[in-house]
Parts: sequence; C-alpha cells; structure tokens
Amino acid sequence: AQKITQTQPGMFVQEKEAVTLDCTYDTSDQSYGLFWYKQPSSGEMIFLIYQGSYDEQNATEGRYSLNFQKARKSANLVISASQLGDSAMYFCAMSPWRGSTLGRLYFGRGTQLTVWP
Amino acid sequence: NAGVMQNPRHLVRRRGQEARLRCSPMKGHSHVYWYRQLPEEGLKFMVYLQKENIIDESGMPKERFSAEFPKEGPSILRIQQVVRGDSAAYFCASSPPGTGFRDTQYFGPGTRLTVL
Repeated sequence: AQKITQTQPGMFVQEKEAVTLDCTYDTSDQSYGLFWYKQPSSGEMIFLIYQGSYDEQNATEGRYSLNFQKARKSANLVISASQLGDSAMYFCAMSPWRGSTLGRLYFGRGTQLTVWP
Repeated sequence: NAGVMQNPRHLVRRRGQEARLRCSPMKGHSHVYWYRQLPEEGLKFMVYLQKENIIDESGMPKERFSAEFPKEGPSILRIQQVVRGDSAAYFCASSPPGTGFRDTQYFGPGTRLTVL
C-alpha cells in the first residue's frame, strides 16, 4: 500500500522568503514518480514539479525545487522568493510505475500555504 | 493546445437523481483518470481508463458509480441515485500514451457536485 504524509496542515511565509513544504511517503515499489500540485482557492489542480525515483539530481522548475531524499522517503517542495500568488493548498502525490506507464496518483492531505506581505 | 475540459463545472442534484460528469482529455492523451475530493481532504483515485477499456477501477464504489471512455467522445463518470455523501469535487486528469517514466497527469478544473 502507498501512503503520503504531509504533516503541516498550514504554513505561513513572508513575501520574498523561501519556504519548505514537507512530504514523506511509504511504498514498497522500487520505481515511482513523485509530484507536487497546487490548488488555489479557485479549485483547479496545477502541476508544479516531478521527480523520478531513479533521478540522481533534484528536480527544479523555476522557483520550485524538490528536495528528494530517497533513503528517508521524503520529497519536500521548496518555493524560493515567495509571492502573494503562491497562497494555495499544496498536494504531494506519488505514482508507482506500472509497466510502461505511471499509474494512479496517491495524494497527501495537503498543506495550506499563506504568503503575507 | 487546450487543457483538460470538464463539464459541467457545477452540478446540483436532488437525492435519487442521476449525475453525469464529462471529461475531454488533452489532445493526444489517451489515458483518463477520475478522482474525488471531499472537503478538507486530498484527492482519492476512483478509476483509470483508456479508450474503450477500464484499466483500474479499484477506487470506484461498487454500487451506483460507473465510468466509460468511448472510442469517440468524452469520458463519462455516471452516478446513479445520488446521495448526500456523493457531494464532492470530481476531477478528471489525462496523460499521454506510455511515453516512459514521466507520465504527468494534467487535471481539469473539476466538477462540483452538490446533492440536496
């Protein structure tokens, strides 16, 4: 069974500061993908960043980076230079590799990030 | 390239009625996933479909729920005889054919179902 744990229900950060959102996962699969999605108050789910379990380097996408520590089964999201528009719910998700494709996503309960001026 | 389309965005049904939720995947995507989000919770997987095939329906309730992805047209999630507990946001996601390890799922805007 797969389990995603996000221990921070809410986080606050001042504009222009960096913030780390925690995510740990539990899986017996050797091959999997890790994802972060952003859900603003409008409700849509926006893909932010992906990390493969065999990727040796941490993924980066603009201001987003993923601090991947495979032995500790953690995949923390780091947002640098926070902006007011970053205020949203953030979900960590994992997908085990099934054959030639990744399968269903398993989601954590999310972290509500609030950026204040 | 248009994103994943879902309609309707909001749907209100009375108990006992049927709800039909539609999802058109991104162009070139042949994999469709349905997820349900209850208030204050993360998304829970329901079903994974490819054209004309249900690949994994392990997250779908056994009664009243069904899904299809026909050769032509959108994927449909159908909920018969809705109950108040079905009130939730239903998200559809799509991904391209098996391109390898990184098959990112892109989500539609969701359908908010309210059962009165």
